[in-house]
Amino acid sequence: KQEVTQIPAALSVPEGENLVLNCSFTDSAIYNLQWFRQDPGKGLTSLLLIQSSQREQTSGRLNASLDKSSGRSTLYIAASQPGDSATYLCAPRDQAGTALIFGKGTTLSVSS
Amino acid sequence: GAVVSQHPSWVICKSGTSVKIECRSLDFQATTMFWYRQFPKQSLMLMATSNEGSKATYEQGVEKDKFLINHASLTLSTLTVTSAHPEDSSFYICSARQPSYNEQFFGPGTRLTVL
Repeated sequence: KQEVTQIPAALSVPEGENLVLNCSFTDSAIYNLQWFRQDPGKGLTSLLLIQSSQREQTSGRLNASLDKSSGRSTLYIAASQPGDSATYLCAPRDQAGTALIFGKGTTLSVSS
Repeated sequence: GAVVSQHPSWVICKSGTSVKIECRSLDFQATTMFWYRQFPKQSLMLMATSNEGSKATYEQGVEKDKFLINHASLTLSTLTVTSAHPEDSSFYICSARQPSYNEQFFGPGTRLTVL
């Protein structure tokens, strides 16, 4: 059964810092992987989707990499802003059409 | 991106009553919908997978007679929490799979509080 671990569990940084969020998963035979953000009490916002054949995806200040063989993905946030404060969730999908499996997330706080 | 709605956004009910939560895909047809539950400071836990026109597949430990799922159309799935108890209080989130992109889009969630 797929298990997802995210490190660190929480992170506090001053505005402007570049930061890296880590995600590892036990079963490396994944179909794709998504990164989401979740604001307190809210639903999920999809940030990036990486197919298993890809090594990275970029959207604005966000860059996600995937090392499928080692079961790892990282989310890089450049020039962090207070508006980036949220919980970031990593979720691999084992097969096409199956559900995403979530880690507990990294809660990010960016101070101005 | 595709839009998924949930209704209601929050509900408070008495212990022993049943609550129905609706999940709709607004601009695409979703042959598969998923229901998740999230307790405070915990991850989203998959409860069940719902395929249009067939019975839902429940994850281990999820009572199918307590959490009734109906996926009667390509745009609507419902989750009914029967005989709710305080321990069922949680954040319930649905998602719908858009087949052409094999991507899941999530609803805004429903906060259930059972008194």
